[in-house]
Formats: sequence, structure tokens, C-alpha cells
Amino acid sequence: AQKITQTQPGMFVQEKEAVTLDCTYDTSDPSYGLFWYKQPSSGEMIFLIYQGSYDQQNATEGRYSLNFQKARKSANLVISASQLGDSAMYFCAMRPNTGNQFYFGTGTSLTVIP
Amino acid sequence: EAGVAQSPRYKIIEKRQSVAFWCNPISGHATLYWYQQILGQGPKLLIQFQNNGVVDDSQLPKDRFSAERLKGVDSTLKIQPAKLEDSAVYLCASSLDISLGREAFFGQGTRLTVV
Repeated sequence: AQKITQTQPGMFVQEKEAVTLDCTYDTSDPSYGLFWYKQPSSGEMIFLIYQGSYDQQNATEGRYSLNFQKARKSANLVISASQLGDSAMYFCAMRPNTGNQFYFGTGTSLTVIP
Repeated sequence: EAGVAQSPRYKIIEKRQSVAFWCNPISGHATLYWYQQILGQGPKLLIQFQNNGVVDDSQLPKDRFSAERLKGVDSTLKIQPAKLEDSAVYLCASSLDISLGREAFFGQGTRLTVV
């Protein structure tokens, strides 16, 4: 069975500070991809960053980086230099090599405080 | 590049009525997904198409939900008859191919309220 767990329902961060959003996953597939999406109040899911299960280095995309610890089955998102526009829901997702659907966590609501 | 288009954005219907949602994926994207997102939860897959064939519809309540993707391009999702618990945001997504590593691009969703 595939499962994504996000244990932080809500997080607050001061503007310009860094924040880490937690994600753990469970899968029996040896090959899979891990994704983070941002969902602002408008509703659209915006792709942020991707990490492959066999990638040796942690993924980075601008202010976003993914702290991938395969043995712990965790894929935490780090947002550096938070901006007010980062306030949104953040979803961790996994796509195993078999089946190819995306499995989502329950999300973390991030609020950036001026 | 145009994104995933969905319509309508909002829909309010009474229980037992029928409703249909439309999705036009990004041009050239072979894989199309319909997800249901209930308030406070993550999206849950309803159905996945590869071109015009169904890859996974194991979580689609087939007694009331149906979906089609004629000609392998745009898709419609129908609910008939609707129940109160169908109130949710229905998200359509597409991806370039089925290979690992390709992210899915989402539309803005259709927010359905059943009263």
C-alpha cells in the first residue's frame, strides 16, 4: 500500500526566515518519484519540486529544496527566505513506478507572517 | 503554453441531480487524471486515462460516477445522481507521458456543492 503522511496541519513562519515542511511516505515499490505541490486559495495545484528515488543528490529549485532521506522514508520540503506569497497549502505526493497515479498527503497550511 | 482548462469553476446542485465537468489537458499530454479533493484532505484519484484508454478507475464510484476521454484529448466527468458527500473540488491533471519523473499539471478545479 502507498501512503503519504504530513503531520503538520499548520505552520507559521516569519517573513525572510526558512521553514521545513515534513513528509514521510510508505511504499513497497523500489522505484518512485516524490513531488511537492503548492495550492493557494485559488485552488490550482502548482508543481514545486521533484526527487527521484534513485537520485543521489537532494533536489533544489530556487528557494525550494527537498531533504530526501531514503532510509527514513522522508522527503521534507525546505523553503528558504519565506515570502508573503508563500502562504498556501502544501502537499507532498508520491508516484510509484507501477500504476503511475499520484498519492497525496493531507497537506500543511503555511502562513507567512510579515 | 496553455495550462489545463476546466469548466465550470463552481457548481451548486441539489442532491439527486446530475452534473458534468469538462477538462481540456495540455496539448500533447497523453495521461489525464481526475482527482476528488474533499475539504481538508489531499486529492484522491478517481480515474486515470492514458490517451483514450482507462489505466485505473478502481476508486471511481461507478454506480454514480462516469468519465470518458473521447479521441484521447479532452475529458468529461459526470455524477448522476449526486449525493451530499460528493461536495468537493474536482481537479483535472495531465502529464506528458507515463514515465517516472514527469510531474502532473493541474487545472484550477471545479468546486461542487451539493445541497
